[in-house]
Amino acid sequence: GQQLNQSPQSMFIQEGEDVSMNCTSSSIFNTWLWYKQEPGEGPVLLIALYKAGELTSNGRLTAQFGITRKDSFLNISASIPSDVGIYFCAGPMRSSNTGKLIFGQGTTLQVKP
Amino acid sequence: DVKVTQSSRYLVKRTGEKVFLECVQDMDHENMFWYRQDPGLGLRLIYFSYDVKMKEKGDIPEGYSVSREKKERFSLILESASTNQTSMYLCASSPMGGRINEQFFGPGTRLTVL
Repeated sequence: GQQLNQSPQSMFIQEGEDVSMNCTSSSIFNTWLWYKQEPGEGPVLLIALYKAGELTSNGRLTAQFGITRKDSFLNISASIPSDVGIYFCAGPMRSSNTGKLIFGQGTTLQVKP
Repeated sequence: DVKVTQSSRYLVKRTGEKVFLECVQDMDHENMFWYRQDPGLGLRLIYFSYDVKMKEKGDIPEGYSVSREKKERFSLILESASTNQTSMYLCASSPMGGRINEQFFGPGTRLTVL
């Protein structure tokens, strides 16, 4: 079945560093979503991507919809302590037009001040 | 500012109790979802609803039921709580149409069943 694989599983970086993470699948997606979940909170939608090759920014965050439609990337520039959290990718379930999503397992980001 | 709210942030219940988790959204969204989140297992869909009084089972519906009597409110019911239902419960909503996949989440309810 459909599956989203995120890497790396976790990252521990120094404040000010840039961060890259990705999400891959053996299936094609027509939408990619990136969420951030802070400790004890619900996920917050960061970026939604709808077109292969699309590059979209939200402040220091930039996400790309891979050309093959089987992957997506999220970059965070000049990380700060409040970037700490779990970052999830998500995509629509195949054969579903009801808005059901599948989620990756998440990349946990820790930032050392 | 769009919002999904959940009735409790933390809840402690005893085994066998009936538990109600409430979710309200103010975005006039048609779709609403209930997930549970456990370490190492990610987000798993319990139930979802695409209209008032309509519901569909997700991946792990056993031991749960739902109710959607009004468009803005989606309730998750644990008929007889068990310790293996200790988890973080997340509610989400999304609109119909082009942004159907953009789910907005509530803050979560951390449920402990003793």
